[in-house]
Amino acid sequence: GQNIDQPTEMTATEGAIVQINCTYQTSGFNGLFWYQQHAGEAPTFLSYNVLDGLEEKGRFSSFLSRSKGYSYLLLKELQMKDSASYLCAVRPPRGYQKVTFGTGTKLQVIP
Amino acid sequence: EPEVTQTPSHQVTQMGQEVILRCVPISNHLYFYWYRQILGQKVEFLVSFYNNEISEKSEIFDDQFSVERPDGSNFTLKIRSTKLEDSAMYFCASSERRSGGLAEETQYFGPGTRLLVL
Repeated sequence: GQNIDQPTEMTATEGAIVQINCTYQTSGFNGLFWYQQHAGEAPTFLSYNVLDGLEEKGRFSSFLSRSKGYSYLLLKELQMKDSASYLCAVRPPRGYQKVTFGTGTKLQVIP
Repeated sequence: EPEVTQTPSHQVTQMGQEVILRCVPISNHLYFYWYRQILGQKVEFLVSFYNNEISEKSEIFDDQFSVERPDGSNFTLKIRSTKLEDSAMYFCASSERRSGGLAEETQYFGPGTRLLVL
């Protein structure tokens, strides 16, 4: 099975940097997604890590350590519109499609 | 930019009634998915579909649920006899499945159908 842990809520200040952590324990692993979800809307793809290391994409970066079962999403230069839930999701081994989502971290950006 | 679309955006139904939720995946995508999200809870996988058959399903996807690709563009989820606990947001997603590369495995979500069972 898959067990994914994320903090429930975080608060950060506009213009600052915030790191959202995700740890997972899985029976198999083939990649980790980060999605952004505004209230009442669909998840929007942010990043996908399969290999260890840091992937940078504009203001957003995602890091993965497979040996530690750990990932984080780094958001820089926070904007008010970044207030949303951030979902960590694990993809099972190749040949399977069931993506398992964590409960998400609700980020509130304050002025 | 291509996107997944879903209809209707909202559906209210009586318990025991059948509902059909519709999705149009991104046109060059080959894998299709349904997820649900009960209010305030996490996104849960229901089923994946490839080459006109179910490739994987979760324990939630019981005999009350079925999926179909009736034509070249639509992908539907049918709930035969709705229960109160089926009230949720239902998301359709699709991914491109070419061999090699990581981007092709990313699932893109539609805007969802909010289902309310009374």
